[in-house]
Amino acid sequence: GQQVMQIPQYQHVQEGEDFTTYCNSSTTLSNIQWYKQRPGGHPVFLIQLVKSGEVKKQKRLTFQFGEAKKNSSLHITATQTTDVGTYFCALHRTNAGKSTFGDGTTLTVKP
Amino acid sequence: DAGVIQSPRHEVTEMGQEVTLRCKPISGHDYLFWYRQTMMRGLELLIYFNNNVPIDDSGMPEDRFSAKMPNASFSTLKIQPSEPRDSAVYFCASRPQGLGNTIYFGEGSWLTVV
Repeated sequence: GQQVMQIPQYQHVQEGEDFTTYCNSSTTLSNIQWYKQRPGGHPVFLIQLVKSGEVKKQKRLTFQFGEAKKNSSLHITATQTTDVGTYFCALHRTNAGKSTFGDGTTLTVKP
Repeated sequence: DAGVIQSPRHEVTEMGQEVTLRCKPISGHDYLFWYRQTMMRGLELLIYFNNNVPIDDSGMPEDRFSAKMPNASFSTLKIQPSEPRDSAVYFCASRPQGLGNTIYFGEGSWLTVV
């Protein structure tokens, strides 16, 4: 089956520091999505990456899709307390109806 | 749109009792997913439906779990009999047809089995 590794599992940062989470697949992907789950909440879609080498930005968040379409990263610049939560990548392969979610990276931010 | 609607939001039940979780997907969405989330096991896909038909139930833990989707606007996940290890947050999610389309999660049903 499809393998997905997301690292790190936990990250504690001081407010203002940067944060990066990585997602790696054992197979080539058709696209990848990122979701954020606030404490006590439900996963909410952030973005989808489709093209090899694609880079997308949402304010302080930068998302990258690897050239080989097997890995992706989410980088947050100058974290704020509102960034706390768990960030999941979700992998899609061609002709797959379901997505495979990574284990998530839980971010805590010290004010 | 109201989003994916789940009920109950919270349930506390005694071991051995039957639990039924309900879900109303977003209108027009062809896929419906049931996930379970725990600290130990993370977010697990239990089963998913496409056009009301179960496609993959390989994530269903055991025979105590069953899921149905009698029509496009309603699905249930049933646990009978429930056990303390079933305590978790159960999310229902839906998405439209098309590869990689956004998955919309409900707010979850928080189940505690004592």
